[in-house]
Amino acid sequence: HSALTQPRSVSGSPGQSVTISCTGTRSDIATYNYVSWYQHHPGKVPKLIIYDVTQRPSGVPDRFSGSKSGNTASLTISGLQVEDEADYYCCSYAATFTGVFGGGTNLTV
Amino acid sequence: QVQLVQSGAEVRKPGASVKVSCTASGYTFTSYHMHWVRQAPGQGLEWMGIINPRGGSPTYAQTLQGRVSMTRDTSSNTVSMELNNLTSDDTAVYYCARDGTFCGENCYLSYYFDFWGQGTLVTVSS
Repeated sequence: HSALTQPRSVSGSPGQSVTISCTGTRSDIATYNYVSWYQHHPGKVPKLIIYDVTQRPSGVPDRFSGSKSGNTASLTISGLQVEDEADYYCCSYAATFTGVFGGGTNLTV
Repeated sequence: QVQLVQSGAEVRKPGASVKVSCTASGYTFTSYHMHWVRQAPGQGLEWMGIINPRGGSPTYAQTLQGRVSMTRDTSSNTVSMELNNLTSDDTAVYYCARDGTFCGENCYLSYYFDFWGQGTLVTVSS
């Protein structure tokens, strides 16, 4: 199964908003509402920030939000903070009990 | 609190095998599936497969079919991942990651990972 498509990098200034896209196919994002997003600081363990397209785990600030339209999911981070600088990965259920990640997006604040 | 503790770093020669273990605590082991995810140096995350701690056949990524196997031991709350016929492309940090969906008798997995192990570096080098 091919990886989901994410922009390699995005950037924003503190206080601004950024949106990271994640494009899949009919076999994954378009059909299933099982998209999740992870924040990954180098050398640390990835952290879940969004699941089931729009849901935030407890403890994740509401500055992080998720959405989906067709075969593209999006992560929006509002009120950017310096500590948001990290790599972000989307992931989707991809039928036949498999999962697939996006290639990752490096966010510079 | 939920904890996933993985075995330590490994170094292998090309063609060899490696087995990484992941011991869970802080929750009912059989109620949550476990995934394996890896990250090669400078690369993104790659989903490797999923195992049901209650039993049944694991599901593996097509790219790893035939080389990977995942097992579980309910007596020790441990899942393991073995990768065979290693090449330098398998050099990566390997993570176990719990699926966040609680599973009773039946469940529909959401394929999201709410808790992760600390990662195990596997280096393949001659």
